Amino acid sequence: QKEVEQNSGPLSVPEGAIASLNCTYSDRGSQSFFWYRQYSGKSPELIMSIYSNGDKEDGRFTAQLNKASQYVSLLIRDSQPSDSATYLCAVKRRTGRRALTFGSGTRLQVQP
Amino acid sequence: DGGITQSPKYLFRKEGQNVTLSCEQNLNHDAMYWYRQDPGQGLRLIYYSQIVNDFQKGDIAEGYSVSREKKESFPLTVTSAQKNPTAFYLCASSNGQARETQYFGPGTRLLVL
Repeated sequence: QKEVEQNSGPLSVPEGAIASLNCTYSDRGSQSFFWYRQYSGKSPELIMSIYSNGDKEDGRFTAQLNKASQYVSLLIRDSQPSDSATYLCAVKRRTGRRALTFGSGTRLQVQP
Repeated sequence: DGGITQSPKYLFRKEGQNVTLSCEQNLNHDAMYWYRQDPGQGLRLIYYSQIVNDFQKGDIAEGYSVSREKKESFPLTVTSAQKNPTAFYLCASSNGQARETQYFGPGTRLLVL
């Protein structure tokens, strides 16, 4: 089992719709969770971080964390073609190695 | 401008050659990291350093070496022992605290001639 799992996609949504990206993780002791966006050929850029159970909203983005289910998601409202990219979920453990563990990413395509 | 710089943007390696990728940050971050990304894949950790003069192996350290002589700099050497070096190499840094967020440089694409 991979430490961080994401559906590779592509996830295709029409412009203006809500895109829902999901991520599960195996280490129950994980404490910090991040979503990065990566355009083709570019480096990842941070979209959101979340540390506590529940929802965290920032503009059109909402991150959701459920530690009991070991599940974190990212919702993108009013999706735009410019949101088309690969979205990487990353997790930091509570103890041990202090580097992030990344999922393989979900490719999102927003159709105009 | 504060940020992370990586050079070169593209690097070509001949068989049997060692090459060094540069990573510099002026964010005053304690921790620095090197990741490798293969096409269609996520990021895999090569090495990381939490403090000057100290570094730890990540998941795929074989064939790579690093040094951390200055807080601002964390160069990565891809040695001839790394038989499949073609990839996108990403350097990141963080403030090293418990809820650390990592920020990435623009990356170096390494190609084998």
